[in-house]
Amino acid sequence: SQTIHQWPATLVQPVGSPLSLECTVEGTSNPNLYWYRQAAGRGLQLLFYSVGIGQISSEVPQNLSASRPQDRQFILSSKKLLLSDSGFYLCAWNVGAVTSEKLFFGSGTQLSVL
Amino acid sequence: RKEVEQDPGPFNVPEGATVAFNCTYSNSASQSFFWYRQDCRKEPKLLMSVYSSGNEDGRFTAQLNRASQYISLLIRDSKLSDSATYLCVVNRNTGFQKLVFGTGTRLLVSP
Repeated sequence: SQTIHQWPATLVQPVGSPLSLECTVEGTSNPNLYWYRQAAGRGLQLLFYSVGIGQISSEVPQNLSASRPQDRQFILSSKKLLLSDSGFYLCAWNVGAVTSEKLFFGSGTQLSVL
Repeated sequence: RKEVEQDPGPFNVPEGATVAFNCTYSNSASQSFFWYRQDCRKEPKLLMSVYSSGNEDGRFTAQLNRASQYISLLIRDSKLSDSATYLCVVNRNTGFQKLVFGTGTRLLVSP
């Protein structure tokens, strides 16, 4: 069966520090991978998605970047965190077309930037 | 106006009650619809898809009204374990963020 691992579960970082969140998926090949952010009182916002190694799509310029160095690994990074980067970060995967609706989420990382 | 709108609640109901949530969406081209459940500080999990003819999964019934652009979720015989936030999700199948998530409706079931 497929599983998704995301870590760490919680993170407290000072403003201006770097960030690296990692997500790995097991039990499937060539998944679509996603990074979402959930801020208080707001719906999940898609930050990045990837349909293959080295392929990253993003719409909104932001302080974050993503990379996919391996088929089942997705990394969210920042060189210098901002207060506004605080939130609940969720990695997710599915297979098939990106428009495929069923998403499977990791357990999330609660990031607090102080 | 948000593309997907939900009453944030909380809905406080006793065990055994029937409760219904509504969700409205603004993009008439939206193609498919879902309810996800999210426990506090946990990841969302797919509860059920919503089909045009309405569909049922045990105590849960989902309805779609395309003309009025709303989706509903009915929970019968509420259990304590149903306490969670229910997210309405709409697939508009266009743009970068094809899946649009509502902010959720919080349900609290009490003994």
